[in-house]
Amino acid sequence: DADVTQTPRNRITKTGKRIMLECSQTKGHDRMYWYRQDPGLGLRLIYYSFDVKDINKGEISDGYSVSRQAQAKFSLSLESAIPNQTALYFCATSSMVGYTFGSGTRLTVV
Amino acid sequence: QQQVKQSPQSLIVQKGGISIINCAYENTAFDYFPWYQQFPGKGPALLIAIRPDVSEKKEGRFTISFNKSAKQFSLHIMDSQPGDSATYFCAASLSGSARQLTFGSGTQLTVLP
Repeated sequence: DADVTQTPRNRITKTGKRIMLECSQTKGHDRMYWYRQDPGLGLRLIYYSFDVKDINKGEISDGYSVSRQAQAKFSLSLESAIPNQTALYFCATSSMVGYTFGSGTRLTVV
Repeated sequence: QQQVKQSPQSLIVQKGGISIINCAYENTAFDYFPWYQQFPGKGPALLIAIRPDVSEKKEGRFTISFNKSAKQFSLHIMDSQPGDSATYFCAASLSGSARQLTFGSGTQLTVLP
């Protein structure tokens, strides 16, 4: 099993719909992150969580929300999806050694 | 704003050539500089990292060169292979920890056979 698992891998949704992207990890790390990747813009931080009770906004949190259900689970929600949220989304955990990323969720909002 | 500026955005190299990707940073408090490699359909994975107490770190065909006074660091891939074709991200963090990274915008490397 992968250390960081993201579901779904691909999703097409309509404008205005609510959608949740899920992430679970087996690394035992406290810190978890959600990034979005767009061509030419790199990885931009949406939200991060230092532990279950500590959730922080990243540089592009508008239009997104998160929930840290347990140490191992961190979900990202788009309350009302819009086309410019079409992107590749990554969940990651971190330790002193570095980040471990999931394989990503490709989200298309039509 | 903590930023890491990466160039070029894309790079095409012949097999056996040297690939060079550059990054520059503003925040002199950054003290950990990793590079991540991302293949299509996969998440980025840690490739190599350096701390500012050394000017160079080499792992196999991959070398990081670090210039503290210029606030620049670069990734050199010697004897580039088609299997090195991927997107490469530089990053930087504070406090000697890998735990809060600021990423560059990425470089898409294509190595021609």
